[in-house]
Amino acid sequence: ETGVTQSPTHLIKTRGQQVTLRCSSQSGHNTVSWYQQALGQGPQFIFQYYREEENGRGNFPPRFSGLQFPNYSSELNVNALELDDSALYLCASSPGGQTNIQYFGAGTRLSVL
Amino acid sequence: QQQVKQSPQSLIVQKGGIPIINCAYENTAFDYFPWYQQFPGKGPALLIAIRPDVSEKKEGRFTISFNKSAKQFSLHIMDSQPGDSATYFCAASKAGNQFYFGTGTSLTVIP
Repeated sequence: ETGVTQSPTHLIKTRGQQVTLRCSSQSGHNTVSWYQQALGQGPQFIFQYYREEENGRGNFPPRFSGLQFPNYSSELNVNALELDDSALYLCASSPGGQTNIQYFGAGTRLSVL
Repeated sequence: QQQVKQSPQSLIVQKGGIPIINCAYENTAFDYFPWYQQFPGKGPALLIAIRPDVSEKKEGRFTISFNKSAKQFSLHIMDSQPGDSATYFCAASKAGNQFYFGTGTSLTVIP
């Protein structure tokens, strides 16, 4: 097991709604990255947080936002959901100082109707 | 623009065969090239990784070959087993800040 837990496992929302996805990492993993994985595609980097600050962002609009908390948990928030937001959302945590090593959770499957 | 291009999209081999998955990248600033294995319903798991100052790395039955001048790297799976059937992703990053993934290769190993 990776020690990374994501919740919920599945979620159904309608277009225009807002959603919050959660991730819990191991103690000491102070870097967390979020990815969007569309069906049949590779993960696409959304953003990375290090010690509760955003540390890099991929090509995603501002309606994708995040938070990281001191207890090694984090959130991905998506506002104004669009049909194309339907995907598997993955979080990956890295132990302190080793950002190349990523441990992935099993993901949250989001369906937007 | 796809930063990392992966091929083939799918691959079927007999047990004991040596599947080879190829990736090419554009950005010469990338300094870390991992391969991930993903089973249905699971997140990707790091399999093996290489840095550009090394041309080959072996870990168990998995080997990465790296060609810096061609900006290409590949994964070889020796003595493949049905349990290796999964989707494989290559990736690249610069200083571990942002990872770019390939589109994935679905591998089926026939008993």
